[in-house]
Formats: sequence, structure tokens, C-alpha cells
Amino acid sequence: DTGVSQNPRHKITKRGQNVTFRCDPISEHNRLYWYRQTLGQGPEFLTYFQNEAQLEKSRLLSDRFSAERPKGSFSTLEIQRTEQGDSAMYLCASSWDRGRQNIQYFGAGTRLSVL
Amino acid sequence: QKEVEQNSGPLSVPEGAIASLNCTYSDRGSQSFFWYRQYSGKSPELIMFIYSNGDKEDGRFTAQLNKASQYVSLLIRDSQPSDSATYLCAAGGQTGANNLFFGTGTRLTVIP
Repeated sequence: DTGVSQNPRHKITKRGQNVTFRCDPISEHNRLYWYRQTLGQGPEFLTYFQNEAQLEKSRLLSDRFSAERPKGSFSTLEIQRTEQGDSAMYLCASSWDRGRQNIQYFGAGTRLSVL
Repeated sequence: QKEVEQNSGPLSVPEGAIASLNCTYSDRGSQSFFWYRQYSGKSPELIMFIYSNGDKEDGRFTAQLNKASQYVSLLIRDSQPSDSATYLCAAGGQTGANNLFFGTGTRLTVIP
């Protein structure tokens, strides 16, 4: 299966610790997205890359959050000084640029619990 | 603020019936619309996408788009218990734009 891969699947951390998640997109996809989803809500956009360039960031992405896609392939999302409010499912999606048909395929997500 | 609104449900239908899921969006510039299915604890899975007014059919699923009314719907014919999930409606931004705006989802239960 060459779908979107995310690691780890689950992360439990103490408040104040730093965490890093990894996303490997579908190999031919040049666009990569990070979303956050909390219980009972739809995914909320965090940031987006086209190749290695980070082109858009949501206001949700505070200074404690940073994302990289150094070689235009995999991406990492780091959260510094985690807070309990950061507890959520972090979803990665990828797509191929086809204009309106910007179909995004999601990974299984990383569930973060901040104690 | 770009918003996508869905009735959170739960929506219950008997097996074999038609399930009708509805969604409205606020940004008239939205060009493309997506329905994702999400099982509990799992990631969203694409069911349908549509960007032209009218109907689009794929197997038991039909997506309908009415841009004048800013309304999108998903019909599931011959509903099966395996269709029980949360259905997320998402709107893509203007042409070439990137992120999706999701509704909160409608929880569907198909009763055997």
C-alpha cells in the first residue's frame, strides 16, 4: 500500500514537552497538508506545502508549531512546549496539483494526548 | 470566515433505505466539494467529489451541487450497516487553492 503514512500513530506526552510527527505522502504527490481534528469536529487546516515550500499557514498554527518538508518528500510537524489544548488527532494529507480536482488523501493520523 | 455547515445528526435509516446528507457553504468562491467518510477513530476516506452544478453518480452514491443555493448533498442508496459512519462535507477554495474547509460531520447509523 503506497498511501499516506504517518508516524507515530499515538503519542502521549507531558505538558511542556516537545513532540514531532512525521508524514510520508503518496510518492507522486507534490502537495502536502497538515490538519488537526478534535472530537466531534471536522479537520481544521494547519499548513500546506507545495514541494518543499510552505505556502500557507493557518492562524491556528501558533509560534509553538513548526512544520518542514526539507526535500519535498516527507514532512515533520513539531509542537514545542505542548499544552493540554494541543490534544487532538493530527492528520496529514497529500494531493497532486490538478486545479479544481485537488483531491486530498489522508493518512491514518497521529493521536496526541497531552497529560 | 469560510464556513461549511452540516446537521450533526445522528441520522438513522433502515437498511436498504436512501440516506440523504446535506451541507451548505458560505464562500461563493468555493470551486470544489468533497464528501469524506470517517469511521470512528479512523482517518477521512474520500467518497465523492463534485465541482459542476447538478448530479454526479458513483455506484450507490450520488452527489448533488447547487451553487446558486450554496448547497451540496450526498445520497446513499440501498444503505448498508457498513455505511454507518460520520460523513464530512468539505469545500475547496477558489481555483487552484489548497486547503479544505470541513463541516463538523453528520453521523449516520444504518439499522439492520
